[in-house]
Amino acid sequence: SQTIHQWPATLVQPVGSPLSLECTVEGTSNPNLYWYRQAAGRGLQLLFYSVGIGQISSEVPQNLSASRPQDRQFILSSKKLLLSDSGFYLCACTQGIGDEQYFGPGTRLTVT
Amino acid sequence: SQQGEEDPQALSIQEGENATMNCSYKTSINNLQWYRQNSGRGLVHLILIRSNEREKHSGRLRVTLDTSKKSSSLLITASRAADTASYFCATDAGNQFYFGTGTSLTVIP
Repeated sequence: SQTIHQWPATLVQPVGSPLSLECTVEGTSNPNLYWYRQAAGRGLQLLFYSVGIGQISSEVPQNLSASRPQDRQFILSSKKLLLSDSGFYLCACTQGIGDEQYFGPGTRLTVT
Repeated sequence: SQQGEEDPQALSIQEGENATMNCSYKTSINNLQWYRQNSGRGLVHLILIRSNEREKHSGRLRVTLDTSKKSSSLLITASRAADTASYFCATDAGNQFYFGTGTSLTVIP
């Protein structure tokens, strides 16, 4: 079964600083990959998803971007963080359409 | 938006009782999935029910789906303190998943 790794686990960054969150997947090949953000006490907001290397779909216009340089690597980035970027960022994968979605442990980002 | 909505937002029960959570959504779906999230952790997949299924069981979990009403329910029987968590439904539209705001379940020992 799939295992999803995310790092770092926690991050405190000042406003205006850059961001890079990494997600890697083990135990599967050619997965669909997802980035979600969860605000405190709220549901998950889909940010980006990818069905293959270099293929990124954005759900929400914002100052974040995503890249998929390798089949099982998904990166979330920002050039300049905003206070509103604080939250819990979750990476997830599925094997295909209609399959179960598996989540990583998440990265808690606090922008100060 | 296709986002699911869970009801109630919060639920508190005694250990051993059953817990029922509901989810409503707005558009046609391929399947609906339920997840559990312990505080500060990632989501754990519980059960997937496809649009052509009406009921599914997994251990102490029972999920129903009524596509005519665009709703689903999750029943946890004989609850335990370890079931304390937030529960989310998620609907899918092809490659995209949409999550509700969750039900916070507290099981009192």
